[in-house]
Amino acid sequence: DAMVIQNPRYQVTQFGKPVTLSCSQTLNHNVMYWYQQKSSQAPKLLFHYYDKDFNNEADTPDNFQSRRPNTSFCFLDIRSPGLGDAAMYLCATSRGHMNTEAFFGQGTRLTVV
Amino acid sequence: AQKVTQAQTEISVVEKEDVTLDCVYETRDTTYYLFWYKQPPSGELVFLIRRNSFDEQNEISGRYSWNFQKSTSSFNFTITASQVVDSAVYFCALSGSGNTGKLIFGQGTTLQVKP
Repeated sequence: DAMVIQNPRYQVTQFGKPVTLSCSQTLNHNVMYWYQQKSSQAPKLLFHYYDKDFNNEADTPDNFQSRRPNTSFCFLDIRSPGLGDAAMYLCATSRGHMNTEAFFGQGTRLTVV
Repeated sequence: AQKVTQAQTEISVVEKEDVTLDCVYETRDTTYYLFWYKQPPSGELVFLIRRNSFDEQNEISGRYSWNFQKSTSSFNFTITASQVVDSAVYFCALSGSGNTGKLIFGQGTTLQVKP
């Protein structure tokens, strides 16, 4: 039973064309995260929501935005994808304390053409 | 600053061999948590273990064991009698300051277990 679901698994978008990736969770966790993982690299946090509070990492480009309309769903919007944004995007959830593990979805692999 | 270093980029072993994946971390926090995640080819990160900074007891779970040593800031992971299904990328991660569960990942170690 998938607990963190990301759609789609694979997304191809055109250079400069806005794209939205989605994530849903059945765990009722407070925190939802978006990580970017480029090829052969470690996942890197873009931002996270603690309930409705949005927290942006200092080095996350303005091109990346996020929405969390309710507890279960979180979206990653890339306003003008560039070739350098091609990556695996991982959504994760946690109860919110640093001592709890994060549960990851299967990721969305984004290709920019 | 927080940092996690996994010096081994790739390891290749033959099935049934034991293998240890190294992890060294840096943090100024007195309270922190260390994690290991497995990333199979399917892409999702699978949680393996969490260890807090006050608990240096080693842990064993089946063929997996972990050795946490604060004196050397290391949190190494050993797979005993490796199997082909263990082939994956393994990430060590650190969660420290703040209460948000943000993970700082190492670069990952790709483990290939050959039959």
